[in-house]
Order: sequence, then C-alpha cells, then structure tokens
Amino acid sequence: LAKTTQPISMDSYEGQEVNITCSHNNIATNDYITWYQQFPSQGPRFIIQGYKTKVTNEVASLFIPADRKSSTLSLPRVSLSDTAVYYCLVGDRGVNNNDMRFGAGTRLTVKP
Amino acid sequence: DSGVTQTPKHLITATGQRVTLRCSPRSGDLSVYWYQQSLDQGLQFLIQYYNGEERAKGNILERFSAQQFPDLHSELNLSSLELGDSALYFCASSPQDTEVTQYFGPGTRLLVL
Repeated sequence: LAKTTQPISMDSYEGQEVNITCSHNNIATNDYITWYQQFPSQGPRFIIQGYKTKVTNEVASLFIPADRKSSTLSLPRVSLSDTAVYYCLVGDRGVNNNDMRFGAGTRLTVKP
Repeated sequence: DSGVTQTPKHLITATGQRVTLRCSPRSGDLSVYWYQQSLDQGLQFLIQYYNGEERAKGNILERFSAQQFPDLHSELNLSSLELGDSALYFCASSPQDTEVTQYFGPGTRLLVL
C-alpha cells in the first residue's frame, strides 16, 4: 500500500476554498485515491475517490495530476461544520486491502 | 447515517474484564472491518471478515478476537482489559472484500477503569 503524507493541520475561514494536498510518491498503477472525513467521536465518512484527472461530487473535488504522485482535495466555500480530520488513502481496489491504513490525517479548523 | 450499527454506544468496565462489541453491517455488505482509535490517535486497523471468514489481520492483540456470524453481523471480543485499551472502536462494512470505500458505524466508546 502506498504511503501517504498530508499536512498535520490547516486553518481556514468560512466561505473560503480549502485545498488539502496528499503526497503518494509510490502509488501503484492500480491504486485509487480515496478521501475520508471524520468528525470528533464519529466514524470516518467517505468523501470522494478518483484515479486520475479530476473528480467532482456534491461535496468536494479531487484533482490528480498526470503523474498521480499527489492529489488535492478541494472543499469549496467551507463552513464551520467542515471542521474535521481529513484522511487520504491510496489502495488497489482489485486486491485485498488488508493493509489499508489511516494515517494521522489533516485536521482542518474553519474559523468564523 | 451510514447504515452500519454498533452496540453498545458506551461501555465502562474494569481492568481484567472481558467485553463484547457488536456490529451490524449495511444491508448486503459482506465485509466487516474493525478499527481502534485511541484519544487523538489515528485509526488502527484490527481485523477484517468477509462472508464469515477472516480475511485480513492488522495490529490486533492476542487478547482480542472477532468473528462474523452467518447473518453477517460481527462481534469483537476484548479480554483481560487494560487501561490502554480505552478507545473508540469502529466497525465498517463494504460490499465485497476488496473495496477501498468503507462505511463506518458510529463507534463504541470503551473506558477501562
């Protein structure tokens, strides 16, 4: 499983766009990139998943450059309720993900 | 609501005791995963079951064990409890055994005194 590196924490203000970058230099050909969101004392929640280029859903966008060695989760116009920990995971959907690991994640704090 | 349920929500017990945590996966999901999250720590993968069979093991202590029943619900048994076992225990489920996307339950908060 590819190791990921994310910033430990980020601060933002309401209404701003937040971009959280994840580095995964050893990403394998079959690996997908998945982001989860976790609020305090709750289980992580799936946000978005992608393989290359750009993926967008009602919550976020995921930008993946051509070399796929990094990815950026973009949260448009954040609100106070977006304060959470965001985890980036990289893994192969085609094989057993018994090594799936959540790292420390990025703790996003949105201020008024 | 992810569709994954866990009971109990909270559990307080003493050192040396044994507890059982229960998880019901989303309807139709065959895989169940267990995670431990200590205070201000990341999620530690413990074990995965798929359709009743153990599929993968993570950092699970020998004092801990799990099983998945024919109706696909799962139980995590924690024995000889220590203070350091106090944590949030999450269960997640996915349709198959190879899904990166997992759906997490609300967790069981265990406090060992």
